[in-house]
Amino acid sequence: QVQLQQWGAGLLKPSETLSLTCAVYGGSFSGYYWSWIRQPPGKGLEWIGEINHSGSTNYNPSLKSRVTISVDTSKNQFSLKLSSVTAADTAVYYCARKGWLFSSRYYYYMDVWGKGTTVTVSS
Amino acid sequence: DIQLTQSPSFLSASVGDRVTITCRASQGISSYLAWYQQKPGKAPKLLIYAASTLQSGVPSRFSGSGSGTEFTLTISSLQPEDFATYYCQQLNSYSYTFGQGTKLEIK
Repeated sequence: QVQLQQWGAGLLKPSETLSLTCAVYGGSFSGYYWSWIRQPPGKGLEWIGEINHSGSTNYNPSLKSRVTISVDTSKNQFSLKLSSVTAADTAVYYCARKGWLFSSRYYYYMDVWGKGTTVTVSS
Repeated sequence: DIQLTQSPSFLSASVGDRVTITCRASQGISSYLAWYQQKPGKAPKLLIYAASTLQSGVPSRFSGSGSGTEFTLTISSLQPEDFATYYCQQLNSYSYTFGQGTKLEIK
């Protein structure tokens, strides 16, 4: 059974860089894309971006200028960096696996999630 | 970006009720839609993908339907553990947007 374990700094000052890592245990790493998703307090979910084992990435255009997602296949880990953070970046950050089903075409979904990391940006 | 609008945003219902949540997309997304359940302090849980396919292990009282721009999530007989917030997500195109959520509360 696949499990995601995530960690990273929980308190940042404005203008600093957010850095989180997610480790994948118990399943295939190379067959999937791996995502980051965030949720501000009391609000909805926002997809940040994704990466696969070969380092191919896709980002949310609204965050693209500040986001870098990287992968370490030797450790089955992927990481998120978000630069120049502000209070608006305060959120719970989740890592997740993008599962897929092929039935004449590919259907995707987020089927495995980490427990979330609370990140607060405050001076 | 494709916008998803869920209705209602809040829903009050009783155990045993049948409830339906609607998700409307700003443009056609075929069947590239998933539904999630989220409880306070927890990560979302996948319920439905490809608009109508039940994720393994999810009770059969949950069902999804729709294609194009209008989708529904139905819970046929509410159980106490179903009171939560529900989100739809489109996976037709980046940036994989979510609906704003529907909070299902006990009446």
